[in-house]
Amino acid sequence: DAGVIQSPRHEVTEMGQEVTLRCKPISGHNSLFWYRQTMMRGLELLIYFNNNVPIDDSGMPEDRFSAKMPNASFSTLKIQPSEPRDSAVYFCASSSAAWNTEAFFGQGTRLTVV
Amino acid sequence: DAKTTQPTSMDCAEGRAANLPCNHSTISGNEYVYWYRQIHSQGPQYIIHGLKNNETNEMASLIITEDRKSSTLILPHATLRDTAVYYCIVRVVTTGTASKLTFGTGTRLQVTL
Repeated sequence: DAGVIQSPRHEVTEMGQEVTLRCKPISGHNSLFWYRQTMMRGLELLIYFNNNVPIDDSGMPEDRFSAKMPNASFSTLKIQPSEPRDSAVYFCASSSAAWNTEAFFGQGTRLTVV
Repeated sequence: DAKTTQPTSMDCAEGRAANLPCNHSTISGNEYVYWYRQIHSQGPQYIIHGLKNNETNEMASLIITEDRKSSTLILPHATLRDTAVYYCIVRVVTTGTASKLTFGTGTRLQVTL
């Protein structure tokens, strides 16, 4: 397996534009996590899914952020409209929910909003 | 989830054992202790986890005190490639459902020659 795949690896966009980050979890994993990392705030859990259903989205900063998981092999994190303070590295991770085994992280998407 | 407390930073000489402490005095009976690390600009990497018994794998050993209020991650022979931020996480475990995996500020381990 290629691991958790995130795209794009880097994204530069202008303030006000819509941004969509993508994640393909490891095949067979049924839990998926989205994180945001900045120097100031560290690694923050935004939302996580079990079996494609959002379980806890309390970390989503505001209504501009939304996440979906239409099937077991794909998830998106959308920011609309984007703002400079959204600049960060966004990580996706997946795991098997069977017994809270280890989570595998993708390489991240570095987002810069100018 | 229970809160964890870790030192902000630590140094270790290459080839020596690195002992990273973690305090989790409010841990509950159904919470496991997990350790992850993050090497610069990469995604976090799982190291080890345990409930109350000591655990060992090819990467590290985890020592949990009998009262479970603290633990120590041991890297037996640290190398320069072990330089990273190490996160101690306490996590509720429920059968069949993944639970929150929340990271704190971690310990920045610097391995030196």
